[in-house]
Amino acid sequence: SQTIHQWPATLVQPVGSPLSLECTVEGTSNPNLYWYRQAAGRGLQLLFYSVGIGQISSEVPQNLSASRPQDRQFILSSKKLLLSDSGFYLCAWSWGPADTQYFGPGTRLTVL
Amino acid sequence: DAKTTQPPSMDCAEGRAANLPCNHSTISGNEYVYWYRQIHSQGPQYIIHGLKNNETNEMASLIITEDRKSSTLILPHATLRDTAVYYCIVRHSGNTPLVFGKGTRLSVIA
Repeated sequence: SQTIHQWPATLVQPVGSPLSLECTVEGTSNPNLYWYRQAAGRGLQLLFYSVGIGQISSEVPQNLSASRPQDRQFILSSKKLLLSDSGFYLCAWSWGPADTQYFGPGTRLTVL
Repeated sequence: DAKTTQPPSMDCAEGRAANLPCNHSTISGNEYVYWYRQIHSQGPQYIIHGLKNNETNEMASLIITEDRKSSTLILPHATLRDTAVYYCIVRHSGNTPLVFGKGTRLSVIA
C-alpha cells in the first residue's frame, strides 16, 4: 500500500529564516505531487504541483519554491520566511486515470 | 472546473444518517464529483467520488441527480468521529489539482 510522509510535523521559525519541508511517498512510482497551504481559519490553497522529476507548476506567486529531486520526493522551500507564511502545509499525491489525491499528515509552521 | 455550493454548517445526531448536499449546476459532462473531509488539525481525507452513477463504499454513499447538477453525500450512521469539514469538489480527472471551497462543517451531536 502507498504511504505519504511529511516532516517535520511542527515548526517554529523566525521571520527571515530559511525553510525546507520534505514530503516523500512510498509504494508507488511516478506519482503526481502537490503542495497546499491552509492559513488559520481559511481553506486549502494549492501552491505547487508536479507531474514528474524536475517539473514544477506554480499556482501562486510568492516567496516559496518547490523542487522534485527524486521521483517520490517533493520539497517546499523559502529563502526568507514572512509572517504570512504561517499555516498548515499539506503534501498530496495521486496516480493513474482516477487521479484521486491522498494527503499527508501536514506540517504546522509558525513564523514569529 | 465547475464551482460548488455547500451549506456552511450542519448538525446531525449521533447514530442518524448525515446527508450533506452540494450544488454544482455548471458541471460539464467529463467532470467528476469528489468528496473529502478534514478533521481538525489533520490532512484532508478522501471519501468517495463519482461521475454519473451513485457510488457506495465503506465510508459513505454518493447520490448524484440525473441532471448531475447536484449531489448528496450520505454517512449512514454518523458517529462523533465524523465531525469534520466536508468538501465537495468538481474536477476533470487526470493531473488536475483539487480546488477546495469552504465546505460544510458537520457537527455530530451525542
